[in-house]
Amino acid sequence: TQLLEQSPQFLSIQEGENLTVYCNSSSVFSSLQWYRQEPGEGPVLLVTVVTGGEVKKLKRLTFQFGDARKDSSLHITAAQPGDTGLYLCAGGTNDYKLSFGAGTTVTVRA
Amino acid sequence: DVKVTQSSRYLVKRTGEKVFLECVQDMDHENMFWYRQDPGLGLRLIYFSYDVKMKEKGDIPEGYSVSREKKERFSLILESASTNQTSMYLCASTTGGPSTGELFFGEGSRLTVL
Repeated sequence: TQLLEQSPQFLSIQEGENLTVYCNSSSVFSSLQWYRQEPGEGPVLLVTVVTGGEVKKLKRLTFQFGDARKDSSLHITAAQPGDTGLYLCAGGTNDYKLSFGAGTTVTVRA
Repeated sequence: DVKVTQSSRYLVKRTGEKVFLECVQDMDHENMFWYRQDPGLGLRLIYFSYDVKMKEKGDIPEGYSVSREKKERFSLILESASTNQTSMYLCASTTGGPSTGELFFGEGSRLTVL
């Protein structure tokens, strides 16, 4: 059973459209991270959120951490082909472990 | 440019063979991790190490062991490879705790066990 559930599993959109990826859990996390992984590469950190209700913006990407620190979302505005990749959320607790979701594969068509 | 380097990008082994996966980081990080990545399952933690010669089991340690003799190097060992260990293996490192610090990943080692 996945501790962190990501939805949708796959997302294919046209360039210029918006998209949202969700990450949900019944557990409370001290932090939530989002990574993007491109084919043949390791995941690369996009953002870390640590406060319930926190919203962070990185250019066209907006990340939100739920008030109860159990869920998060990633919203991309005006998606571009360069946004294509596997998006992974990861929840941190007070030990050395991060729990990863199964990932959302995003394809942006030109 | 900071880097985590995994020794082999692709390996093909036979059932029962011993397999070594090597990982080296040049960032002087205390903490190093081995994950396996399977479609639909995400990344699952096999083992991690927070200091030289120290190791802790992750969520799926069965069938694996690790070695950390030097700070920069963390090795994953499959004593007797089995077909269900066919997977992508990712090494990562970070300084401090991983729950807020950035995990730096290698490019991955894709292992096929026949």
